[in-house]
Amino acid sequence: GESVGLHLPTLSVQEGDNSIINCAYSNSASDYFIWYKQESGKGPQFIIDIRSNMDKRQGQRVTVLLNKTVKHLSLQIAATQPGDSAVYFCAENKGDDYKLSFGAGTTVTVRA
Amino acid sequence: EPEVTQTPSHQVTQMGQEVILRCVPISNHLYFYWYRQILGQKVEFLVSFYNNEISEKSEIFDDQFSVERPDGSNFTLKIRSTKLEDSAMYFCASSEVGRNYGYTFGSGTRLTVV
Repeated sequence: GESVGLHLPTLSVQEGDNSIINCAYSNSASDYFIWYKQESGKGPQFIIDIRSNMDKRQGQRVTVLLNKTVKHLSLQIAATQPGDSAVYFCAENKGDDYKLSFGAGTTVTVRA
Repeated sequence: EPEVTQTPSHQVTQMGQEVILRCVPISNHLYFYWYRQILGQKVEFLVSFYNNEISEKSEIFDDQFSVERPDGSNFTLKIRSTKLEDSAMYFCASSEVGRNYGYTFGSGTRLTVV
């Protein structure tokens, strides 16, 4: 079964606004989570990661929040720009293997 | 910035034919992976490779699939007898250490089986 999933398949956001992309996971053994961005015709591009011993991590314009109690992961993008338009995937690793399990993806469209 | 390079970018093949997808991982990386993405769907793990052997594979990676590191730079995925349902984007990735740290994906090969 699918252990990682996203709440919404599409998100439309006004340029300059903040974006929040959500992800739910079901495997409580997962201890490492990554957000990827995929632009059309390209491979997944690493955005930010977080380990299960943390609940928040910040990068440049991005913040990842992890709520292990409800098995929820979110990506916040501050001051969304047109270049942020892409499909965003969350992925997890459960620590005893090498593979990433990806969610279904959220398509983010930034309106000018 | 170092890149994972994949060739070709697009491959069209007839059903039943063999295809080889090629990847050049980042030079100091030790772990190599293949993933695939059927159009509009999520990215799925196929196989991981370390120290010249498969370290893990998914149920998708059946006897029709094989991987090889024929020299010090290339990492290949072979599909022996392609099926229509093999049509997908195939992504190669590499990492310096295991467990997905510093994972870098290539731009993918779009395989179309007709």
